[in-house]
Amino acid sequence: GNSVTQMEGPVTLSEEAFLTINCTYTATGYPSLFWYVQYPGEGLQLLLKATKADDKGSNKGFEATYRKETTSFHLEKGSVQVSDSAVYFCALSKSSGGSYIPTFGRGTSLIVHP
Amino acid sequence: DAGVIQSPRHEVTEMGQEVTLRCKPISGHNSLFWYRQTMMRGLELLIYFNNNVPIDDSGMPEDRFSAKMPNASFSTLKIQPSEPRDSAVYFCASKWGPTADTQYFGPGTRLTVL
Repeated sequence: GNSVTQMEGPVTLSEEAFLTINCTYTATGYPSLFWYVQYPGEGLQLLLKATKADDKGSNKGFEATYRKETTSFHLEKGSVQVSDSAVYFCALSKSSGGSYIPTFGRGTSLIVHP
Repeated sequence: DAGVIQSPRHEVTEMGQEVTLRCKPISGHNSLFWYRQTMMRGLELLIYFNNNVPIDDSGMPEDRFSAKMPNASFSTLKIQPSEPRDSAVYFCASKWGPTADTQYFGPGTRLTVL
């Protein structure tokens, strides 16, 4: 079946540091890939997405590139801010019997210190 | 748009009581998901509706859990009887169509079963 593996957290960084959160997936064919972010006390919200190989999703300074050859969708940001502290979820969505059932990773907590 | 609406936001009940969680999806969305989030298990998909019809309920933990979607603008998740291990945050999410598109999450219901 489909699966998503994320690096374990928490990831702790100082403000303005470079961020990478690794995500790899297992799925047949070409799933769509997503990063969602969950701020404390809130639901998940879409951060960025990519729907085909070599696509780059970007939003709010975050980027991720759909790498089919390595089945990866790593999240990066050049300079993190305290306000980026949240839990980040990698996810895929792929057709199964005509339905698109999403698969989420376990989430990676990011803590940014001033 | 108001986004996905969930009620109540917090629920504290005693073991053995019936609990009903409610969700109003975004207008025009025809796919609806119920998730449970805990520290131990992360984010788990419980059930998925498409056009008000349950498509996949393999994530529902046991017969104590049931979900309904009587119309396109309302869904319920019921636990009867509730147990302490059901304590979690329950999220509802909706999206448009049977496609690999973005899900929109509600703010969640934090359930505590004493």
